[in-house]
Amino acid sequence: QVQLQQWGAGLLKTSETLSLTCAVYGGSFSGYYWAWIRQPPGKGLEWIGEMNNIGSASYNPSLVSRVTMSGDTSKNQFSLRMTSLTVADTAVYFCARYSSSWSKYVQHWGQGSLVTVSS
Amino acid sequence: DIQMTQSPSYLSASVGDRVTVTCRASQGISGSLAWYQQRPGKPPNLLLYSASRLQSGVPSRFSGSGSETYFTLTISSLQPEDFATYYCQQYYNTPRTFGQGTKVDIK
Repeated sequence: QVQLQQWGAGLLKTSETLSLTCAVYGGSFSGYYWAWIRQPPGKGLEWIGEMNNIGSASYNPSLVSRVTMSGDTSKNQFSLRMTSLTVADTAVYFCARYSSSWSKYVQHWGQGSLVTVSS
Repeated sequence: DIQMTQSPSYLSASVGDRVTVTCRASQGISGSLAWYQQRPGKPPNLLLYSASRLQSGVPSRFSGSGSETYFTLTISSLQPEDFATYYCQQYYNTPRTFGQGTKVDIK
């Protein structure tokens, strides 16, 4: 049973950098695609980006200048880094695993991390 | 970017009702569409993929259909645990995009 457990700082100030990490349990890190998705309070879902286990990544054009995803195969973990935060980045951030490298819908979700950005 | 538009944004229904949610894509996405259910405070849960394939463990009262630009999610007989928000998502290309959500509430 694949489980994703995520953690990171929950309260940040404008212009600071968000760092979240997601650990993968019960499944392989290799051979899959991994994603970050966020949800502002009371709003819908926004795809941030995705990566595979060898570090090939694709980001949402609206965030590409501020986002970096990375992975650590030895630890079965992957991470999100987002710079130059604004209040608009306040959201619940989910890590996720796709069904497979060719079927890129989310089959497994992390529990979510609320990140609040204040001025 | 491919825009995904769901309708309605909100619907009120009773237990036992048949409910249909529609999702339109701004361009053809073949069958690369997934539906998720989200309850408050929880991550979304995959219901269907490839437009009409039921995820393992999901009750058979959920069904999906459609291709290219028009898709539907149907709940044949609404149960109390189905009151939630539903999202469609295209995975045809990047950026992956979601519909704005349909909240199903108790009448």
